Amino acid sequence: EVQLVESGGGLVKPGGSLRLSCAASGFTFSNAWMSWVRQAPGKGLEWVGRIKSKTDGGTTDYAAPVKGRFTISRDDSKNTLYLQMNSLKTEDTAVYYCTTGGGGEVGAIDYWGQGTLVTVSS
Amino acid sequence: SYVLTQPPSVSVAPGKTARITCGGNNIGSKSVHWYQQKPGQAPVLVIYYDSDRPSGIPERFSGSNSGNTATLTISRVEAGDEADYYCQVWDSSSDHKDVVFGGGTKLTVL
Repeated sequence: EVQLVESGGGLVKPGGSLRLSCAASGFTFSNAWMSWVRQAPGKGLEWVGRIKSKTDGGTTDYAAPVKGRFTISRDDSKNTLYLQMNSLKTEDTAVYYCTTGGGGEVGAIDYWGQGTLVTVSS
Repeated sequence: SYVLTQPPSVSVAPGKTARITCGGNNIGSKSVHWYQQKPGQAPVLVIYYDSDRPSGIPERFSGSNSGNTATLTISRVEAGDEADYYCQVWDSSSDHKDVVFGGGTKLTVL
């Protein structure tokens, strides 16, 4: 069974930093492309970014609102995905979901974690 | 960037058919995926590649995609289908491919 378990959310002041983690199990993590998706309170889904598998280059891409502030990384030895968030803004307040799916850059998001809440407030 | 447009809400009586649209420029040339999200829960994939159903999703859920509109159809609607539904595509307008979501449609079962 595929499991994605996020952790690291919490309350942080504007301008601060936070690192989220996602522990993956039930599939071959090293072969998977992983993404982060967020959802502000009462709002819709917003893609944050993606990291390819190392065999596919391990490259990352980000949505415009977070580019230059957020960094996605992975530790295949620990089956763990990370999201380093710097220079946080109030508009980054959201539930952050760790996700994965097959099909590369046309496929669906097959699996979602339960999400972790990040609140950016003074 | 690519924009997906969904109606904010759709209402349907139990047993009837609900149709939720997702509009986008020439969306028929893209693969569309649909997610169901119930309050307090993570989204669940209900339709992928326009019209395929993951295992465990009832046959009542179906999808189509042509021209500028993709449609999620839920037949014989049940109270348990009440949820928010999101369409999703990959877009290559920028220098890389991004995931794009529609704004979501709240399905209300009357």
